[in-house]
Amino acid sequence: QKEVEQDPGPLSVPEGAIVSLNCTYSNSAFQYFMWYRQYSRKGPELLMYTYSSGNKEDGRFTAQVDKSSKYISLFIRDSQPSDSATYLCAMETAGGYQKVTFGTGTKLQVIP
Amino acid sequence: GAVVSQHPSWVICKSGTSVKIECRSLDFQATTMFWYRQFPKQSLMLMATSNEGSKATYEQGVEKDKFLINHASLTLSTLTVTSAHPEDSSFYICSARDRAGVLADTQYFGPGTRLTVL
Repeated sequence: QKEVEQDPGPLSVPEGAIVSLNCTYSNSAFQYFMWYRQYSRKGPELLMYTYSSGNKEDGRFTAQVDKSSKYISLFIRDSQPSDSATYLCAMETAGGYQKVTFGTGTKLQVIP
Repeated sequence: GAVVSQHPSWVICKSGTSVKIECRSLDFQATTMFWYRQFPKQSLMLMATSNEGSKATYEQGVEKDKFLINHASLTLSTLTVTSAHPEDSSFYICSARDRAGVLADTQYFGPGTRLTVL
C-alpha cells in the first residue's frame, strides 16, 4: 500500500465549477499537509500548507484535513482555465528525518 | 521571493554518456538541496538530500555511483547521471531550502530538467 493515495484523474470541469481534489494516507505520523500545483513540464509550486486537522482558506482555495479519517481535500471555487494543471498532495512528519511524501497528482482541466 | 533555477531544462543524450544537471538558488543561500525524480503519471520521488560541503544522503534504492551529487557552494548543487541508459529518462527536479523549519514552508522547487536517453 502506498503511503499517499491520490486519484490521477484526469478531471474535467466547466469554468466556474467548484473542484474537489482528495488524498488519503496511511502514515499517522504525518502532521503537515500540503497542496502543490504543477504545470506541464514545470516544477511544483506550493499552494496551501496546513498543520494537523482543520480548514485553511486562501482566496478561492480551501484545504481541509481530517486526521481521524486520514483524508485531505483541496477545494477550488470559481475555477478558471488558468487552474488547469496537475495538483499534488504532499505530507511531512514532524521532527526527525525531514522528507516530503507526494501523491501521484490529479490532472485538472477547466474548460472555458 | 525565493527562486531556484535548473540547467539545462531539457537534454537528450546517447546511451552510455554522462549528463550533468545544475540547480541554483538565485536569491538565497541554500544549506540543503534535494533531488527528485518524476516519471509520467507518478509522484515525485526523493532521490537524495544534499548538504553544502558534505556527502549527499541517498534514499533507499538510489545508486549513489550512478547519480553523483555535488553541493560545492551555498547556491549550487549538481546531479550527474553517469553512464545513462534509456531507463534513466525522466523529469529531474531539485529543490532548495532557505532556512530551518518545516520543509513545507521552507522548500522551493526548480523548474525541472527533462532527460531523454536514446
